[in-house]
Amino acid sequence: EVQLVESGGGLVQPGGSLRLSCEASGFTFSTYIMNWVRQAPGRGLEWVSYITTSSTSISYTDSVKGRFTISRDNAKNSLYLQMNSLRDEDTAVYYCARTRAGWSFDYWGQGTLVTVSS
Amino acid sequence: QSALTQPPSVSGSPGQSVTISCTGTSSDVGYYYRVSWYQQPPGTAPKLIIYEVSNRPSGVPDRFSGSKSGNTASLTISGLQAEDEAEYYCSSYTSSNTLVFGGGTKLTVL
Repeated sequence: EVQLVESGGGLVQPGGSLRLSCEASGFTFSTYIMNWVRQAPGRGLEWVSYITTSSTSISYTDSVKGRFTISRDNAKNSLYLQMNSLRDEDTAVYYCARTRAGWSFDYWGQGTLVTVSS
Repeated sequence: QSALTQPPSVSGSPGQSVTISCTGTSSDVGYYYRVSWYQQPPGTAPKLIIYEVSNRPSGVPDRFSGSKSGNTASLTISGLQAEDEAEYYCSSYTSSNTLVFGGGTKLTVL
């Protein structure tokens, strides 16, 4: 059974940092492109970043460029998101999601809540 | 990276059909056949229901269908059921090697 389990969310002050993790199981993690997608409270989905299988290609949405860094450790079946210089508007549930055909996301984690507030 | 445009809400009675539109540009929806649709009931993670414009993952009922014309993709749900009540999102890969979601459409089954 495919499982994605996020962790690392919490309350952080504006300007602070947080590192999210996503542990994958039930599939060959190293062969899939992985993503982070976020959802602010009461708002819609927003794609944040993706990383290819060997980390050779990485992309970010404009609002997090220069502040967030996506990475992965295929030996540990894990995906990460290092978030620096956090802003109020980064408050959201952060999901990790697996990419399948046509850049669709076929499996999602349960999400981890990040709250940026003083 | 502007969000794709979806109607905020649609509604229909059980047994009826509804269509949700998703309008982008020639750099995303119009450029690729990489449009997906997701269903998200309140308090849950999104679920993939359509990929590559019109393909259904296994386990998704054939009441759900997708199509595309120019810069607009559409999701049609036929034979509406109470359990279909949820938020629906479209997404597309873009020519900038990013992905973009629509703003979401709340489906109410009357």
